[in-house]
Amino acid sequence: DIVMTQSPLSLSVTLGQPASISCRSSQSLVFSDGDTYLNWFQQRPGQSPRRLIHQVSNRDSGVPDRFSGSGSGTDFTLKISRVEAEDVGVYYCLHTVQWPWTFGQGTKVEIK
Amino acid sequence: EVQLVESGGGFVQPGGSLRLSCVGSGLTSNTPWMSWVRQAPGEGLEWVALLNVAEGHIYYADSVKGRFTISRDISKNTLYLQMNNLRVEDTATYYCATDRGSLWGRGTTVTVSS
Repeated sequence: DIVMTQSPLSLSVTLGQPASISCRSSQSLVFSDGDTYLNWFQQRPGQSPRRLIHQVSNRDSGVPDRFSGSGSGTDFTLKISRVEAEDVGVYYCLHTVQWPWTFGQGTKVEIK
Repeated sequence: EVQLVESGGGFVQPGGSLRLSCVGSGLTSNTPWMSWVRQAPGEGLEWVALLNVAEGHIYYADSVKGRFTISRDISKNTLYLQMNNLRVEDTATYYCATDRGSLWGRGTTVTVSS
């Protein structure tokens, strides 16, 4: 199984400041079709997960452009350019390149 | 717009069974992948079952293999998860999700306890 490792596991950020979350996979997430299947999810307190980013850097519909994804191979990053109060929650990376699909441990983002 | 609504959760003793349902308004045979994902209280997310309708493939996490069965009734726009021989460690909120997590329901809670 591919192991997804996120860091940090907890992040305290001042409103309006940037935030960055790292996700590393134990093997490459590049599929035979050439695409890289790395996704980012946000889970606000008491809510279902919501996908923010798919295939490394593609924002889902309705996701603010302050969220961006980057990376390649086994090393990926989610960045929030200016943290807002509504960004509080837990963020997960997920690979979907082969079964089983596995999540990172989650990174809890709070406001300082 | 597709919405997913799960139901069927509840309280069950170890060894018991439950069947979860997920109704997806607007789901059609063109929705190729449907899944169940769970989250134990205070814990992270685990992808437990995947149904790839397009290829006819079904996948299960090792933790539920042989006990859980995922299925779909296209005529009813419904995804199911039959859960047998439930264990205390199956206690979680169960979400259904489409494709690679593009859409999620609100979840249904399963509690397994004696």
